[in-house]
Amino acid sequence: LAKTTQPISMDSYEGQEVNITCSHNNIATNDYITWYQQFPSQGPRFIIQGYKTKVTNEVASLFIPADRKSSTLSLPRVSLSDTAVYYCLVGPHENRDDKIIFGKGTRLHILP
Amino acid sequence: GAGVSQTPSNKVTEKGKYVELRCDPISGHTALYWYRQSLGQGPEFLIYFQGTGAADDSGLPNDRFFAVRPEGSVSTLKIQRTERGDSAVYLCASSRTPGRVSYNEQFFGPGTRLTVL
Repeated sequence: LAKTTQPISMDSYEGQEVNITCSHNNIATNDYITWYQQFPSQGPRFIIQGYKTKVTNEVASLFIPADRKSSTLSLPRVSLSDTAVYYCLVGPHENRDDKIIFGKGTRLHILP
Repeated sequence: GAGVSQTPSNKVTEKGKYVELRCDPISGHTALYWYRQSLGQGPEFLIYFQGTGAADDSGLPNDRFFAVRPEGSVSTLKIQRTERGDSAVYLCASSRTPGRVSYNEQFFGPGTRLTVL
């Protein structure tokens, strides 16, 4: 079971690049890394997913080193509206014994 | 297109009562998930449906919780003899791709906030 560890909270300022790192030392060969974003009073929203190296979309980039034991979500030029909780998930979670775990996530607070 | 919808948005009930929470997934999505989220915590997996059948109900906390999806679309989460500890936001998600795998993008609804007095 690949557990994840991420910072409880982070603060940054508008216009800055924010990097949130997730540790997953026990990641399995067939595991993907997925990040979700959650605003208050809303359900989580898929941001980005990757397996190795770098993935980029219109919202974020995901950097995954060769050993895949960690990953970094990068948010370019954040704004106040990026204030949210960010969750890192690892798995396919194909088996009943392999729980889908969101964890507590990282509470990102963007300051003006 | 329409996203995942959940009704009611808020439900207040008394301890010991029975409640039903409804989820309308995105049309055509075969996989449906229920989660429970307490304040300051991430979503906690409850149950996963593949079509009409509950493929994995290992997250249901006890036998007071039950969920159905009779026609493979709308799902209802049922809680009997509610307790104060059941108070939480109940989230529903659906996924286009079948299979209980976290690399299938899940689309979440806004949740139902359940308060048990």
